Order: sequence, then C-alpha cells, then structure tokens
Amino acid sequence: GQSLEQPSEVTAVEGAIVQINCTYQTSGFYGLSWYQQHDGGAPTFLSYNALDGLEETGRFSSFLSRSDSYGYLLLQELQMKDSASYFCAVALNTGGFKTIFGAGTRLFVKA
Amino acid sequence: DGGITQSPKYLFRKEGQNVTLSCEQNLNHDAMYWYRQDPGQGLRLIYYSQIVNDFQKGDIAEGYSVSREKKESFPLTVTSAQKNPTAFYLCASQDGDTGELFFGEGSRLTVL
Repeated sequence: GQSLEQPSEVTAVEGAIVQINCTYQTSGFYGLSWYQQHDGGAPTFLSYNALDGLEETGRFSSFLSRSDSYGYLLLQELQMKDSASYFCAVALNTGGFKTIFGAGTRLFVKA
Repeated sequence: DGGITQSPKYLFRKEGQNVTLSCEQNLNHDAMYWYRQDPGQGLRLIYYSQIVNDFQKGDIAEGYSVSREKKESFPLTVTSAQKNPTAFYLCASQDGDTGELFFGEGSRLTVL
C-alpha cells in the first residue's frame, strides 16, 4: 500500500527554525508537496519538489531525496501565525495521477 | 474571482438519508478531488477525476458516489451506506502544470 509518515506534533519558539520530516512508501512517485492548514480552514499550498534538492520560498524551504523516499519542510524565523498543521502530500502516477496526504504535523509556536 | 466553491458550508443529516455536497470551480482545471478529514487527522482521498465523464475511487470510496458531467462541477453524494459520515469534506482542483491543489472552504457534515 501507499503510506506517508510525519511526526504528529512539533513545538518551537518564536524566531527559531523547525524541520518537519516526511518519509513515504509509494509506487508511482511523481513529486512531494507541502500544505499548511489553520484550524477550521482549508489547506493552502506551500511548496512542491519533483527533483532532488532544496526549494526555497521566503521563510519556507522544502527538500526531497527520491533515493531515500524522504523529504522535509524547513520553517525559519518562526512566527506565532505559523502555528498550524502541515501536511506532506505525494503525487502518484499509477495509471492516472492522484495526490494523497500524510496525517499531518501540528506545529505549536510559543512566545 | 477564480476559485473553488463548496456548498453548503454546514449540513445536518438524519441517519439513513443521502446528501449531496456541491463543488464548483472556475479555474479551468481538468483534475478534481474529494477528501475527507476527521478531527486531528489527515486528508483521506474519497474520489478523484482527471477529466470530464471519468472518475476513480480513492482509498475510502465505500458509501460515497460522484459524477463529473461538466468540467466545472464535481458533486459528492454521501449515501446511507456510509457508516460514519460525520466529517469535514474538502474539494480541490489541480493545476495540471504545477500539481498544486486549490481547495474549497469545505463542507462540515453532521449526522444526527
């Protein structure tokens, strides 16, 4: 079957750096995405990696290693508003394209 | 404005009733998805459609049905066969070039 693993919770202080890891076991892997979701809201797109390496977008960076079936989201200069759930998602091509999500990591940012 | 519109935002249903959740997009995306989210959980794939008049079952399709008669519309019916339908339902469309999913605001279904 297809599975994604990420930590359930992470706590960090304002201004710090936090890394959220994601490992996956899938067939037909195409790319890895990250989404942010605040309580009661809809997920919003943060980043996408199709190739190995680091993608940087402002305070957020995302990394992918296809050989290790591993990726991470790096959040720098943490702000209180970054308190949210973060989901890794894999795009799969299994005779048709689809996207499945991990269970999510709840990030708590403390003052 | 371009985006995904889901309705209703809140819905209450009695056991044994079918209910249909609406999802409309004006982003001209081919692919559309339905996910279910339970409290504190991730998003689980119910159904997805890559093109009009075609759709595939996701991981938890039992008790649900969909149609894709128009590119803009992908309604989800929660049938009485769904044993535990109380959940937050999210519809999304996908940019075919970037893979980015664009989500609606969700529909929260409660079975009384």
